[in-house]
Amino acid sequence: QLLLTQSPSASASLGTSVKLTCTLSSGHSSHAIAWHQQQPEKGPRYLMKVNSDGSHTKGDGIPDRLSGSSSGAERYLTISSLQSEDEADYYCQTWASGMEVFGGGTKLTVL
Amino acid sequence: QLELQESGPGLVKPSETLSLTCSVSGGSISSTGYSWGWIRQPPGKGLEWIGSIYDSGSTYYNPSLKSRVTIFVDKSKNQFSLKLSSVTASDTAIYYCARGSYHYDSSGYYAENWGRGTRVIVSS
Repeated sequence: QLLLTQSPSASASLGTSVKLTCTLSSGHSSHAIAWHQQQPEKGPRYLMKVNSDGSHTKGDGIPDRLSGSSSGAERYLTISSLQSEDEADYYCQTWASGMEVFGGGTKLTVL
Repeated sequence: QLELQESGPGLVKPSETLSLTCSVSGGSISSTGYSWGWIRQPPGKGLEWIGSIYDSGSTYYNPSLKSRVTIFVDKSKNQFSLKLSSVTASDTAIYYCARGSYHYDSSGYYAENWGRGTRVIVSS
């Protein structure tokens, strides 16, 4: 079964970097995933898609301080130079044969 | 600039059918290489995919909701719709519509455009 696992929470200080992880279930380590950001009281926003080789395709207007990478079944979202507006929920999403799956989300707190 | 706007009743009675529409502007719902989907978010919880309709006309639904869900497109109005039957309080959520774009390098669709969402409460 295709599943995505995310840590429920993460925190980092203003101006530093944080790396969020999304783990694909066994047997699905070649899947690409997308990262979405949901700021408080707002709808989700597409950030980027990350392939299994670590290449990534960003959405319009997504700043350079956000980047994606991969290692095995793990897909990462790295946010550098953290700003207060980065405090949000981050969801990963994947697709397989018409079906979509979301991870449980990671709540990022900027200290 | 593609825009998606959800609309529909904010209050639905238990056992009735929830009907929502997503109006698409800035792009054609008939364009190839896209999917049109619905995702919901119960209060305080994460995102749940409900289902999608593809440019081929094929539909796919979340297995947990499949028996109650229908998604269809109205090309003349450039919109697509969701019907969820026999609703209960657990269907209370914010409902989002989204457009997925096909990525050839990974052979999949990924939601790149989202609506702002519409809140639906199921209560008598």
